[in-house]
Parts: sequence; C-alpha cells; structure tokens
Amino acid sequence: EPEVTQTPSHQVTQMGQEVILRCVPISNHLYFYWYRQILGQKVEFLVSFYNNEISEKSEIFDDQFSVERPDGSNFTLKIRSTKLEDSAMYFCASSERGTQGKELFFGSGTQLSVL
Amino acid sequence: DQQVKQNSPSLSVQEGRISILNCDYTNSMFDYFLWYKKYPAEGPTFLISISSIKDKNEDGRFTVFLNKSAKHLSLHIVPSQPGDSAVYFCAARRTDSWGKLQFGAGTQVVVTP
Repeated sequence: EPEVTQTPSHQVTQMGQEVILRCVPISNHLYFYWYRQILGQKVEFLVSFYNNEISEKSEIFDDQFSVERPDGSNFTLKIRSTKLEDSAMYFCASSERGTQGKELFFGSGTQLSVL
Repeated sequence: DQQVKQNSPSLSVQEGRISILNCDYTNSMFDYFLWYKKYPAEGPTFLISISSIKDKNEDGRFTVFLNKSAKHLSLHIVPSQPGDSAVYFCAARRTDSWGKLQFGAGTQVVVTP
C-alpha cells in the first residue's frame, strides 16, 4: 500500500538553528500538507500546498516557516530559526484531491526537539 | 481553539461491546466531519467521514452519527476488538478551507479482553 514517508523520524536541534523536515508524498497525489502536534495538545494545521504554491496557511505558519517541492518527489518544511516552542511532532500529509479530508494520508511524523 | 471538542480523554470497553466516542463542535461553517485513528509512533489514519447533509454513515463496524442541531457527532464501533485500542480524533472541515482540518483533542480507547 502506498504511504507517505517522513525523514528523519527524530530531529534534535539547538534553538536558533535551521531545520528541514522531509517528506515523500504518495506518488500520484497533488495536494500536500503539514500539520503538527505539540505534546499534550491537538493536531493543528500549518499549511496546504498545491501546484507549487501555498494554498492556505495558519497563523502559526509565520515567516520562519517555508515549504518547498524541490523535485518531483519531495516536499519539505523548513524552519529558519527554531524556537523552543517549535518542539512538536510534525506530520506531512498528501491527497489526490483537495475536496475532501478523508483523502488525507498522513506520514508517521518527525519528532522535533529544540533545545 | 475550541471549535472541535472531545470531552472524554479516555474510554475503556470490553471486547465485543460497543464503543461510543463523542465530539462537539461550535463552528456552523463546518460541512464535513471525519474520524481518524492513531497508534503510537504512527500518523493519523482515516476511519470514516460524514457530510453535513447526512445524519448517518456506516462502514463495517464503524458508524458515525451527526446531529447538526446539537452540533454533535458520535462514532460507534461495534463490536469492539483489541486492535481498536488507539487514540481517536474527531476532525472538521469548512467548504472554503479544504485542506485545513480542525482536530479535537482525541479520546484514548482501550479495549480489554
């Protein structure tokens, strides 16, 4: 069964450092997303991406965050200068269409720890 | 952000019995509701969904009920199996915001033998 793959599974970084979280969406999917879950809190939407541009972003997704699809298979989330409060599990997701949430397929996540 | 609420953090049920998970929402602009299941160290996995124009949707052992006037939905799992032990998230979506799901806090279900 096709799946969304995320690397690394764990990332530890120092405050102020840049991190790049990587995702390989399902190959025929066209819509891509990042969500995150801070420990003890809800899963929250960060950004949706389609046709090489951001479709929607949350208030969390400020200028420190960026997304990119550098080639035909990868989808990345970059945090330019990490803060302690960026520590969370980051989930990448993809879907064939943007019309219904039931088609979101999530990866296993990257646990980001900012020290 | 309390637009989607799951007020029961945990639920314990015996194998073979019915599990009922509840979810309330406040935003009347939500038009589509979903349930996701999550095991430790895995991402959320889609279970079942319902459009706001329906009041029930069934898929095998899983049934979702929607009461729009009460802004309430529930997930019924019957019969419950040990493999159903996981965290269940309720999520909601607006028509004008197709990729943005609002999640509830989750309910940890434990199915005991």
